[in-house]
Amino acid sequence: DTAVSQTPKYLVTQMGNDKSIKCEQNLGHDTMYWYKQDSKKFLKIMFSYNNKELIINETVPNRFSPKSPDKAHLNLHINSLELGDSAVYFCASSHGGQGVNSPLHFGNGTRLTVT
Amino acid sequence: ELKVEQNPLFLSMQEGKNYTIYCNYSTTSDRLYWYRQDPGKSLESLFVLLSNGAVKQEGRLMASLDTKARLSTLHITAAVHDLSATYFCASGRSNYKLTFGKGTLLTVNP
Repeated sequence: DTAVSQTPKYLVTQMGNDKSIKCEQNLGHDTMYWYKQDSKKFLKIMFSYNNKELIINETVPNRFSPKSPDKAHLNLHINSLELGDSAVYFCASSHGGQGVNSPLHFGNGTRLTVT
Repeated sequence: ELKVEQNPLFLSMQEGKNYTIYCNYSTTSDRLYWYRQDPGKSLESLFVLLSNGAVKQEGRLMASLDTKARLSTLHITAAVHDLSATYFCASGRSNYKLTFGKGTLLTVNP
């Protein structure tokens, strides 16, 4: 019954490795997001996708590549991981578009630790 | 660029007391969201405020919006321990690019 589910919950890896995080939503939303929450709990938008199209790319390094195979899925692949990538990554979904005001629904987060 | 400032960032209060968290945003926006986050958990939507003068209440929490002052408040009435969490406000011109405040870590002590 989980509305927005992301896997894995924890990811521990070494610098230089490549890793992926998967996200799926069953709410019928047309817009999905990736947010990064740093160690001070600051939340920042990384990417927004509407109907599989990239809408927002918030000056994220090219090492981060999102992919949306359909409206219900948004995955995040990270190449050449760096220490500074350690954070909690949240997937979220909502209805999108101008004039749409429904709140975002967040997944449970993926805690990425790069050693 | 939109800036969202919350204060205080840390709030320690006694059970039974009242307090207010403030959320200021720097440019015109058409939505203001409040979220709650428990330690190690996801963010849970609390309130959606869309128009000037909007007021919403859920239990011991009440949120309001003053678009002219670019200010939203989250008022806590007769706090209980279960309200201990981090509270975030978020604003933006669309859901595509929301800006979150830094969060207010609320601790309610017996």
